[in-house]
Amino acid sequence: GQNIDQPTEMTATEGAIVQINCTYQTSGFNGLFWYQQHAGEAPTFLSYNVLDGLEEKGRFSSFLSRSKGYSYLLLKELQMKDSASYLCAINDYKLSFGAGTTVTVRA
Amino acid sequence: DAEITQSPRHKITETGRQVTLACHQTWNHNNMFWYRQDLGHGLRLIHYSYGVQDTNKGEVSDGYSVSRSNTEDLPLTLESAASSQTSVYFCASSVGQGGSYEQYFGPGTRLTVT
Repeated sequence: GQNIDQPTEMTATEGAIVQINCTYQTSGFNGLFWYQQHAGEAPTFLSYNVLDGLEEKGRFSSFLSRSKGYSYLLLKELQMKDSASYLCAINDYKLSFGAGTTVTVRA
Repeated sequence: DAEITQSPRHKITETGRQVTLACHQTWNHNNMFWYRQDLGHGLRLIHYSYGVQDTNKGEVSDGYSVSRSNTEDLPLTLESAASSQTSVYFCASSVGQGGSYEQYFGPGTRLTVT
């Protein structure tokens, strides 16, 4: 089975940087996804890490360490529209999601 | 444009009734998934399918069933609705084999069982 942990909530100021951590214990692992979900909407894909290291996509970066069972999503130059839940998901031929981290961006 | 749709978007039903939630995708994706989302639990997998006539149980499959008779549709049936099944239900689809490709989610169905 899978055990996936993320912080429940984080608050940051517009223009700042926030790092959302995800730790996991799993019997099978093929990669780790990050999804963004605005309130009342469907999740949308942000990133997928298979190998160790950092993947950068504009203001968002995602890091994976398979040996440590650890990933983080880094959001830079925060904007008000980044207020959302961020979901970490393990790929074990199907997805298992963490409970999500709600990020609130303040002006 | 290709898309994934769910219907109805909102449903109120009574305990014990059978309910079917529809999911339709026009991407020609092999894989389709049903999740429920409840506060504090995130998304939990109910059933999934890797192709026509293929269905598999997920983490929380009790009380739910699916069938896959074509590529585009994966309806989810609650055989006898219970109050514990009040939730938001998301359907998703992806290309390729297994879970190694990003999933595209439908807009969700909010189901209330009274």
